[in-house]
Amino acid sequence: GENVEQHPSTLSVQEGDSAVIKCTYSDSASNYFPWYKQELGKRPQLIIDIRSNVGEKKDQRIAVTLNKTAKHFSLHITETQPEDSAVYFCAASPWAGKSTFGDGTTLTVKP
Amino acid sequence: NAGVTQTPKFQVLKTGQSMTLQCAQDMNHNSMYWYRQDPGMGLRLIYYSASEGTTDKGEVPNGYNVSRLNKREFSLRLESAAPSQTSVYFCASSEALGNQPQHFGDGTRLSIL
Repeated sequence: GENVEQHPSTLSVQEGDSAVIKCTYSDSASNYFPWYKQELGKRPQLIIDIRSNVGEKKDQRIAVTLNKTAKHFSLHITETQPEDSAVYFCAASPWAGKSTFGDGTTLTVKP
Repeated sequence: NAGVTQTPKFQVLKTGQSMTLQCAQDMNHNSMYWYRQDPGMGLRLIYYSASEGTTDKGEVPNGYNVSRLNKREFSLRLESAAPSQTSVYFCASSEALGNQPQHFGDGTRLSIL
């Protein structure tokens, strides 16, 4: 089955700096890669996703890049703000197959 | 649109008691999921239902049963609760299995004494 590894497990940055979280996956059949943000005590919510026919996708301060050859994808957050502090989960899924989640990254943005 | 609704939000049980967690979605999604999240940990899949009438085991199914009552509802049952099942339980749904984002409910915080 699919195995998703997420790094780092914790990340602390100064407000205004950039943050990068990386995930690697094992199943070459995976073709959908979402990122979820979970604030403390809240439910996970989708913030951005990418499909295997695209190499990069941006939405304001967040972007995701995908390297299918190396089987890794990354979340980039620029100009971080205190409200970006949360746990971020990556996931990978094949067509018509269930998603496999990474273990999460706790991002702390210091004012 | 309420999205994914879970009931109850909080529950305290004694060891050995049984309980059913309810989940309903109003997005006409085909696939539904149950996860547990222990403190400071990731999401572990308990059971999922790819479509109405089907259910499959996930990563940690022992001690749980599920019922896909209809397209909207997917319940999770603990037959004989154990302290190790103390966790936050999230229900989620998606248009289809794989290749689609999942929409999560607000969670049920379950404590077993």
